Amino acid sequence: QSALTQPASVSGSPGQSLTISCTGTSSDVGGYDYVSWYQQHPAKAPKLMIYDVSKRPSGVSNRFSGSKSGNTASLTISGLQAEDEGDYYCSSYTSSSTLDVVFGGGTKLTVL
Amino acid sequence: EVQLVESGGGLVQPGGSLRLSCAASGFNFNSNAMNWVRQAPGKGLEYVAAISSNGGNTYYANSVMGRFTISRDNSKNTLFLQMGSLRVEDTALYYCARSLYDFWNGYSTDWGQGTLVTVSS
Repeated sequence: QSALTQPASVSGSPGQSLTISCTGTSSDVGGYDYVSWYQQHPAKAPKLMIYDVSKRPSGVSNRFSGSKSGNTASLTISGLQAEDEGDYYCSSYTSSSTLDVVFGGGTKLTVL
Repeated sequence: EVQLVESGGGLVQPGGSLRLSCAASGFNFNSNAMNWVRQAPGKGLEYVAAISSNGGNTYYANSVMGRFTISRDNSKNTLFLQMGSLRVEDTALYYCARSLYDFWNGYSTDWGQGTLVTVSS
């Protein structure tokens, strides 16, 4: 069982906005501003989309945004496109792991 | 262009050992922390181990502590993962990844395509 909880699946139509949640505890998401999000397409390596809760690496579309409230972090995708379909993983610094970082279980995004 | 190429995966019996390598190019290898992430078939991502840019600090997941060793050779731009006492549950695609900073903080900006490790009798 993952330390961070994500919905197993979400779906939306092209052009819509949707949000993926990532719920942890005060030992991880709620205690530190070190949350990141990764996108993974089938049979491909993951791609960093958001770090430090809301920062975007160079080259990542501004349709992707991150936020945090209490123990829950969120990834919002606006203007949904077919290419956004894939798996999304959140990750957070944690004081409860020898590796200091944990992933969420992942969310499968389907564009209808 | 950043390139990370993993090698060394394969089929191994439970209790056996393997050494994974990751050849890096396209960036100053000694400027970034590096890490290994694995993904079991059809499952999610799991951080396995990380190492600071100069190799002075290493970090391991509880699940591999005492069995796996991460190391790097900055003169050869290569990252390693020595895996021992392998278990069936270690079966996964192992990714090599470049960290955003010279210290480990969990952000992996570039990834290889992975090398498959299968532990089975």
